[in-house]
Amino acid sequence: SAVISQKPSRDICQRGTSLTIQCQVDSQVTMMFWYRQQPGQSLTLIATANQGSEATYESGFVIDKFPISRPNLTFSTLTVSNMSPEDSSIYLCSVGAGYYGYTFGSGTRLTVV
Amino acid sequence: DAKTTQPPSMDCAEGRAANLPCNHSTISGNEYVYWYRQIHSQGPQYIIHGLKNNETNEMASLIITEDRKSSTLILPHATLRDTAVYYCIVGGAQKLVFGQGTRLTINP
Repeated sequence: SAVISQKPSRDICQRGTSLTIQCQVDSQVTMMFWYRQQPGQSLTLIATANQGSEATYESGFVIDKFPISRPNLTFSTLTVSNMSPEDSSIYLCSVGAGYYGYTFGSGTRLTVV
Repeated sequence: DAKTTQPPSMDCAEGRAANLPCNHSTISGNEYVYWYRQIHSQGPQYIIHGLKNNETNEMASLIITEDRKSSTLILPHATLRDTAVYYCIVGGAQKLVFGQGTRLTINP
């Protein structure tokens, strides 16, 4: 299955600033997914990122708040913009892994102060 | 919205089989049943998946009912390291939608 490297692993940010999270995959994949996990909660899908097209956002998530780039088949970034304490969460990227379903990165633990 | 229903928590003794149920009564014919687990807020880890037939791998067994409306994940000899949140997910090739999962605690 694919191996995902996600950076940074954690960060503490000031409210009103933005953070860009990087997701690097060791093989070419068509679809990459970004999830948010709020404290004590399950994972919520933010958007699906396809190379060469705009990301598809789930209900409740907008491009202005969570812009996503997908410049090639092995890399994607998620930016959390104009952060507030409510954005404190773990952000995870994921890719389809063929027979083995989906592989997840280790996540970025974000704290907004 | 998630298409699955799982008990919020379960306990199991170490060394015994852990049987985790999942209801997915609205599953479509081309949708798979996936099981993942998440330990200490790490990224979810793939366990097993199936379409119709029962499946077994080195981690677990998956039993899917004939009508495909429910399934059971079996950890045959649970260890303390199996303590985690287990997610049953129904989906196809497009995306995974997570429910709340079952918090499984393995007791010594």
